[in-house]
Amino acid sequence: GAVVSQHPSWVICKSGTSVKIECRSLDFQATTMFWYRQFPKQSLMLMATSNEGSKATYEQGVEKDKFLINHASLTLSTLTVTSAHPEDSSFYICSASSHQGTDTQYFGPGTRLTVL
Amino acid sequence: DQQVKQNSPSLSVQEGRISILNCDYTNSMFDYFLWYKKYPAEGPTFLISISSIKDKNEDGRFTVFLNKSAKHLSLHIVPSQPGDSAVYFCAASLNTDKLIFGTGTRLQVFP
Repeated sequence: GAVVSQHPSWVICKSGTSVKIECRSLDFQATTMFWYRQFPKQSLMLMATSNEGSKATYEQGVEKDKFLINHASLTLSTLTVTSAHPEDSSFYICSASSHQGTDTQYFGPGTRLTVL
Repeated sequence: DQQVKQNSPSLSVQEGRISILNCDYTNSMFDYFLWYKKYPAEGPTFLISISSIKDKNEDGRFTVFLNKSAKHLSLHIVPSQPGDSAVYFCAASLNTDKLIFGTGTRLQVFP
């Protein structure tokens, strides 16, 4: 099946620094990528949807200036958490879809961010 | 307001028995439903799906049933195995790639 990777898998940073998380589709072209944040004992929360070559669409309540998303190619999307704070500590998961319309999303393994 | 609900946060089943995970939704316009399986510290992986035009889809030990009138879907795992122990998310979609997830049900299969 389709494979989506994320890098890094685990990151610890100091408060106030920025962290970049990469999401790659390894064996297919992802026209759309999604970024989720998972809270303990809660479902995935969709943060934003990015289409290759265009600006990301952010969900209500998600600060676009804080969570910068770039989808520069059909195989790579990045999420940059700017000026990270301890409350940003979470598990961030991306998923990718190969084409528009109702389709399965292939999820990456996730990135655990810990902000000290 | 939660559009996709998994009211049972956990389920414990003996190995070899049937596991039934339930999911309810509120939007009758949803046209595609999926089940994901998630192990700790990993992203959820796709398990099985069903279109709203069907009421059953089977893949090996996994069967998903859809009851549109009740806005309810369920995932049956028969026979259950210890390796099935994980958190299961149901999700619904409406004409787009955007998925709305339930809160998940933790399944534990014991010997």
